[in-house]
Amino acid sequence: QSALTQPASVSGSPGQSITISCTAYSSDFGDYNYVSWYQQHPDKAPKLIIYDVAQRPSGVSNRFSGSKSGNTASLTISGLQSDDEADYYCNSYTTRSTYVFGTGTKVSVL
Amino acid sequence: QVQLQESGPGLVRPSETLSLTCTVSGYSISGGFYWGWIRQPPGKGLEWIGSAYHTGTTYYNPSLKSRVTISADTSKNQFSLKLDSATAADTAIYYCARDRGYSYSLNFWSQGTLVTVSS
Repeated sequence: QSALTQPASVSGSPGQSITISCTAYSSDFGDYNYVSWYQQHPDKAPKLIIYDVAQRPSGVSNRFSGSKSGNTASLTISGLQSDDEADYYCNSYTTRSTYVFGTGTKVSVL
Repeated sequence: QVQLQESGPGLVRPSETLSLTCTVSGYSISGGFYWGWIRQPPGKGLEWIGSAYHTGTTYYNPSLKSRVTISADTSKNQFSLKLDSATAADTAIYYCARDRGYSYSLNFWSQGTLVTVSS
């Protein structure tokens, strides 16, 4: 399956906003409307923070927001906090009823 | 609250079958949703393995399809993963998760279990 490409790392200072991109280089993802994002702290299971490109599950901070433009989806974290330091993965449902994860991005809070 | 817990051997010999079971509590797997498996080699990214519905419908990662079987046991409220002909490349943390809780996404995850393939 084609991978979704993310930057290896993104960093920012506390209080700043950062954006992580997730680019699809295949038509396997259709209109790319089923993009979700997961946060993973070290030695922990991933946690869903965004689904359907821009929807937040209940209980997820509104500092996390998602968007999409063409074949690139983005996750923005505003008001960066130390607890946001983690790995972030995008994911997309495909036209073949499968899922593909992105390559992952390590977020560092300076 | 939905909770998932994996169980199975932490060590598998090369060429043998890797088998794991995920026990679900707080929700009946026959009540809907798909139930899936995801893995993560140490220090690497996530890889979706496949998902199953309680009726037997399954979807698999094309790169693993020839070796994978996911099935559900509604009487035990469990679902399982079998990966044939294991190699060292299958060494990973394996997670089970509820699929399509929120649209096409994985919204409840287990804590993960490390399976090592080694002689």
